[in-house]
Amino acid sequence: LAKTTQPISMDSYEGQEVNITCSHNNIATNDYITWYQQFPSQGPRFIIQGYKTKVTNEVASLFIPADRKSSTLSLPRVSLSDTAVYYCLVGDPRLPDQTGANNLFFGTGTRLTVIP
Amino acid sequence: NAGVTQTPKFRVLKTGQSMTLLCAQDMNHEYMYWYRQDPGMGLRLIHYSVGEGTTAKGEVPDGYNVSRLKKQNFLLGLESAAPSQTSVYFCASSYSRGIYEQYFGPGTRLTVT
Repeated sequence: LAKTTQPISMDSYEGQEVNITCSHNNIATNDYITWYQQFPSQGPRFIIQGYKTKVTNEVASLFIPADRKSSTLSLPRVSLSDTAVYYCLVGDPRLPDQTGANNLFFGTGTRLTVIP
Repeated sequence: NAGVTQTPKFRVLKTGQSMTLLCAQDMNHEYMYWYRQDPGMGLRLIHYSVGEGTTAKGEVPDGYNVSRLKKQNFLLGLESAAPSQTSVYFCASSYSRGIYEQYFGPGTRLTVT
């Protein structure tokens, strides 16, 4: 299982672009990178997933360099409603299976606070 | 679609009491998961299921049991509650294995006194 490291917290002003970097130095060949967002008193919500290069959807972009040892979640023009905890997950999507192997570790995430 | 629902939303138990948390999903997902979330600990996987009639242990399974008798339901049981099980419990489901998109329920806040 690839261990991930992300900043504990970040602050940003409204309207700015926010980049949250996740380090995963021992990422394996079959591992994907997935980001979730969690608001207070709610369950996490899937944001984006990628394997290499760049992935973009209506919410965010995910940049993954060639060595895949890190990834960056980019949130364009954040608003107050983007204040949340953001989790980076790295793992082989073929798991878990019935042997007991699992790779579903969320960690502590990055607490993003958007300031007016 | 209701997505993933959890029952109850809140519960207070005394040490030694038992209870069952119910998770239901209407998306016909094969995979279901139970997590607990504690301050400063992120989400930790308790048990999961890769299909009806199957269950497996996650990261922190001790003190919990689960059952998946119907595809749409995943039950989490505490046979003898302990204060260390005070937490927020989240259920999730997914179409595919592992960390492909999971859909989470709203959570159950459990306090054991």
